[in-house]
Amino acid sequence: GNSVTQMEGPVTLSEEAFLTINCTYTATGYPSLFWYVQYPGEGLQLLLKATKADDKGSNKGFEATYRKETTSFHLEKGSVQVSDSAVYFCALRRNSGYSTLTFGKGTMLLVSP
Amino acid sequence: EAGVTQFPSHSVIEKGQTVTLRCDPISGHDNLYWYRRVMGKEIKFLLHFVKESKQDESGMPNNRFLAERTGGTYSTLKVQPAELEDSGVYFCASSQAREGSHLYGYTFGSGTRLTVV
Repeated sequence: GNSVTQMEGPVTLSEEAFLTINCTYTATGYPSLFWYVQYPGEGLQLLLKATKADDKGSNKGFEATYRKETTSFHLEKGSVQVSDSAVYFCALRRNSGYSTLTFGKGTMLLVSP
Repeated sequence: EAGVTQFPSHSVIEKGQTVTLRCDPISGHDNLYWYRRVMGKEIKFLLHFVKESKQDESGMPNNRFLAERTGGTYSTLKVQPAELEDSGVYFCASSQAREGSHLYGYTFGSGTRLTVV
């Protein structure tokens, strides 16, 4: 079956530090890959996505590249801000028909000034 | 456009009681999903409606959970009777029914935090 594995948190960084949150997946075929973010007190928001191998998703300074050979979709940002503190979820979705999202456990990011 | 709205935002109930969660999807979205995150674990799929029909309910944990979507608009998720392990955050999401929609993520609500004591 499908599964997503994320690095354990919390990840604690100082402002302007470089961020990497690792995500690897197991899936049949070639799914679409997503990063969702949940800010404190808010719902899940789509941060970025990639629908095929070698695609790079990007938004708000965050990037992730769909790596088929390593089945990975690591999230990166060159310089984090305090406002980036949130829980980040990696997810996949099969590219056919009605398909549901399979999530990782989430990684909490805490950025201090 | 209004987003996905969930009520209540928080609920604390005693074991054995009944709780009903509500989700109002984005107007015109035929697909409605329920997901749940138990503390520290993955967000897991519960149920998928297409309009008023249950397309996939393979994630429903047991028969204490009942989801409905009368008229294909809002949906309710009832837990009766609630158990301690039902505590968690229940998310609702909706998406349009269109070709290629599986390539996109959904729009999620803010979730209902359920605590069973």
